[in-house]
Amino acid sequence: EVQLVESGGGLVQPGRSLRLSCAASGFNFDGYAMHWVRQAPGKGLEWVSGISWNSDRLGYADSVKGRFTISRDNAKNSLYLQMNNLRAEDTALYYCARGSRRVSGPGGDYWGQGTLVTVSS
Amino acid sequence: DVVMTQSPLSLPVTLGQPASISCRSSQSLVYSDGNTYLSWFQQRPGQSPRRLIYRVSYRDSGVPDRFSGSGSGTDFTLKISRVEAEDVGVYYCMQGTHWPPWTFGQGTKVEIK
Repeated sequence: EVQLVESGGGLVQPGRSLRLSCAASGFNFDGYAMHWVRQAPGKGLEWVSGISWNSDRLGYADSVKGRFTISRDNAKNSLYLQMNNLRAEDTALYYCARGSRRVSGPGGDYWGQGTLVTVSS
Repeated sequence: DVVMTQSPLSLPVTLGQPASISCRSSQSLVYSDGNTYLSWFQQRPGQSPRRLIYRVSYRDSGVPDRFSGSGSGTDFTLKISRVEAEDVGVYYCMQGTHWPPWTFGQGTKVEIK
């Protein structure tokens, strides 16, 4: 059974940092691109960042470019999102989602339950 | 970036009646391999998104056959043949062709009249 379990969320002050993790199981993690998607309270889905299976292709939403860094450790079946210089508008539920075997493709067939990030003083 | 526009944004439906959601992209979603990477997601209240349809018209495993997807190029539709109570939620279209980024539609809230 495919499982994606996010962790690392919490309450953080503006300007501070947070690192999210996503633990994957039940599939060959190193065969798939992976993505982070967020959802602000009461709002729609917003793609944040994605990474190819071997980390050679990375992508970021304009809203987080230069502040967030995506990475993965295939040996640990884990995806990460380092979030620096956090802003109030980054407050959201952050989902980890499986991509396809390429970064362009049908992805999103599995999602985690999300981890909540709240940026507030 | 590709802009995805859904309509309507709110869809009150009667149980047992059909429902249809439109999604238009600002440019063609046909990828260089000939496939069109347009997906539909359902998000029930308090739950994570669930993919229903991928590559325009392919249903994911376990998705009831009352859900169907169609379209091509820049114009796509999700249809529910007979709405059931468990179909209440928000539906999103998403393109995965022009990455980065993935882009989602604004979401269509389906509710029972």
